[in-house]
Amino acid sequence: AQSVAQPEDQVNVAEGNPLTVKCTYSVSGNPYLFWYVQYPNRGLQFLLKYITGDNLVKGSYGFEAEFNKSQTSFHLKKPSALVSDSALYFCAVRPLVSGTASKLTFGTGTRLQVTL
Amino acid sequence: EAGVTQFPSHSVIEKGQTVTLRCDPISGHDNLYWYRRVMGKEIKFLLHFVKESKQDESGMPNNRFLAERTGGTYSTLKVQPAELEDSGVYFCASSHRNEQYFGPGTRLTVT
Repeated sequence: AQSVAQPEDQVNVAEGNPLTVKCTYSVSGNPYLFWYVQYPNRGLQFLLKYITGDNLVKGSYGFEAEFNKSQTSFHLKKPSALVSDSALYFCAVRPLVSGTASKLTFGTGTRLQVTL
Repeated sequence: EAGVTQFPSHSVIEKGQTVTLRCDPISGHDNLYWYRRVMGKEIKFLLHFVKESKQDESGMPNNRFLAERTGGTYSTLKVQPAELEDSGVYFCASSHRNEQYFGPGTRLTVT
């Protein structure tokens, strides 16, 4: 069975400072990893994904994530936070099986609060 | 390109009543998923359609939940009769193959 852990319910950071939102995962075989963001009263928006290749993946709005196979982690990062980044962030995983679509397993979400 | 749409955005019903949620996927996407987030918890998978067929319904909580996707286009999720623990946000997603695109969700409140 696959699982995702987001150990922090909330992350607080000052605008302009770097941010990290943590995610660890468990999946059979190679992982297909995602980050989604939910702004207030909005649906889930795709931020970025990792399939294979470079361990540092760049996504929307200046976010990036680093895949670490030995630590089974996929932490979300941004060099300089903005107040507008305040939202709920979800990490998700599914097995990487070529040609097959399948369900995502999500973490519990981390609320990012960026203050002036 | 239009995104995934869901209707209604909010629904408040009493325990024992019936509610039907609708999802319109992105045109051409064969895969359609339903997920649910109960307050403060993770987003949980409910079921997966490939066209009109149920590929995986392992996440459906019980037989009070019925999902359909007639004709392989839009999908409905009916809860009958609703219970208090059914309250939450119900998300629909569609995909061509790998990347899933989510709708805005339906917030269901059972009182």
